[in-house]
Amino acid sequence: DIQLTQSPSFLSASVGDRVIITCRAGQGIGNFLAWYQQKPGKAPNLLIYAASTLQSGVPSRFSGSASGTEFTLTISSLRPEDFATYYCQQFNSYPPLFGGGTKVEI
Amino acid sequence: EVQLVESGGGLVHPGGSLRLSCAASRFTFGSYWMTWVRQAPGKGPEWVANINPYGNEKYYLESVKGRFTISRDNAENSLYLQMNSLGPEDTAIYYCARVGLYRGYSYLEYWGQGALVTVSS
Repeated sequence: DIQLTQSPSFLSASVGDRVIITCRAGQGIGNFLAWYQQKPGKAPNLLIYAASTLQSGVPSRFSGSASGTEFTLTISSLRPEDFATYYCQQFNSYPPLFGGGTKVEI
Repeated sequence: EVQLVESGGGLVHPGGSLRLSCAASRFTFGSYWMTWVRQAPGKGPEWVANINPYGNEKYYLESVKGRFTISRDNAENSLYLQMNSLGPEDTAIYYCARVGLYRGYSYLEYWGQGALVTVSS
């Protein structure tokens, strides 16, 4: 199984901050990675797929990038509605596991 | 807008069975891979199973193989998850999701609201 390690697990930030979340794959997965945002009591919501493609309707302050087995989700300027937990998921091979999550708190 | 509505969750004793359903609407259900993802209380999401549009290709999380069965009825626009030999470790919210596909890249683009399954004596 391909493990995904997210860092940090928790992140304290303020409105307007630039936030970077990292997801490291245990082996090469190409760009077969997606990012999701989850708010309490809700299902995850797709933000980015293919490592860097923004899902339709997602604000442009969200972006994704990849370098080898390291992937990053960047929020350029944090807004109040962005306080949530973020997960990465790989789709290179079965099982398509999720990362452990990063909770972005005020 | 795509709609996915899960049902069939509830409280079940250890060793019991439960069948989850997911009613799909506002898209051509029979054209898409579908998946079940679960999330235990306070934990991250965990992929459980996938099924192809025709229902003849299925993949499972190792820990549910032989106990869970994913299936679909394209005429009824419905996805199912039959869960047998349930244990406390299966307690979770179960989500159905539609698999998006773009140039070979997969992702979970639409999710239902989830169905809570509690396994307890």
